[in-house]
Amino acid sequence: QKEVEQNSGPLSVPEGAIASLNCTYSDRGSQSFFWYRQYSGKSPELIMFIYSNGDKEDGRFTAQLNKASQYVSLLIRDSQPSDSATYLCAVSWGFSGGYNKLIFGAGTRLAVHP
Amino acid sequence: GAVVSQHPSRVICKSGTSVKIECRSLDFQATTMFWYRQFPKQSLMLMATSNEGSKATYEQGVEKDKFLINHASLTLSTLTVTSAHPEDSSFYICSARDLGLAGNYEQYFGPGTRLTVT
Repeated sequence: QKEVEQNSGPLSVPEGAIASLNCTYSDRGSQSFFWYRQYSGKSPELIMFIYSNGDKEDGRFTAQLNKASQYVSLLIRDSQPSDSATYLCAVSWGFSGGYNKLIFGAGTRLAVHP
Repeated sequence: GAVVSQHPSRVICKSGTSVKIECRSLDFQATTMFWYRQFPKQSLMLMATSNEGSKATYEQGVEKDKFLINHASLTLSTLTVTSAHPEDSSFYICSARDLGLAGNYEQYFGPGTRLTVT
């Protein structure tokens, strides 16, 4: 049974601070890792994906992957109130052909207060 | 960017009736679409994978006779909830992959359909 674990939160950070969201996964064969943001009542939207160990930066977002520890994280710099949402970690395996099933974590609720 | 639409966005039906939800990829071809269900304050749970021109693959515990999936074209998949009951009330979300983009593993999500069974 492949599992993805996240702290449900809420994680409360002040505006302008760094928010750190964490995710662990059970399947060592997992190869693709995704962070989605979901506002209440809306469908998820992709923030970042990462395949290789290390850091990947995109604007205010940095994804970090450590396959040895089966751990992936998302850092949000200069957090804004508009970042307040639930952040979903998703894990997939396989790169080519067919389809890639995504297994989602339960999500971490982030609250950025002014 | 790739756009996925769903229709209807919200539906209320009586217990025992059937409801059809459509998922369309608007600007790309999707040989594979996915159907998820999300209960309040819970994460997305994959229900089934819909493959154009073939039978859907259902996840363990999902009743294939209750949740009928048809992927009749490269841009349309439908989910029919048959004999709906209040416990089927949920947020149903579809996603699709654009296999025309080499190396693209992103799933594009539709806006979701809120089903309420009374």
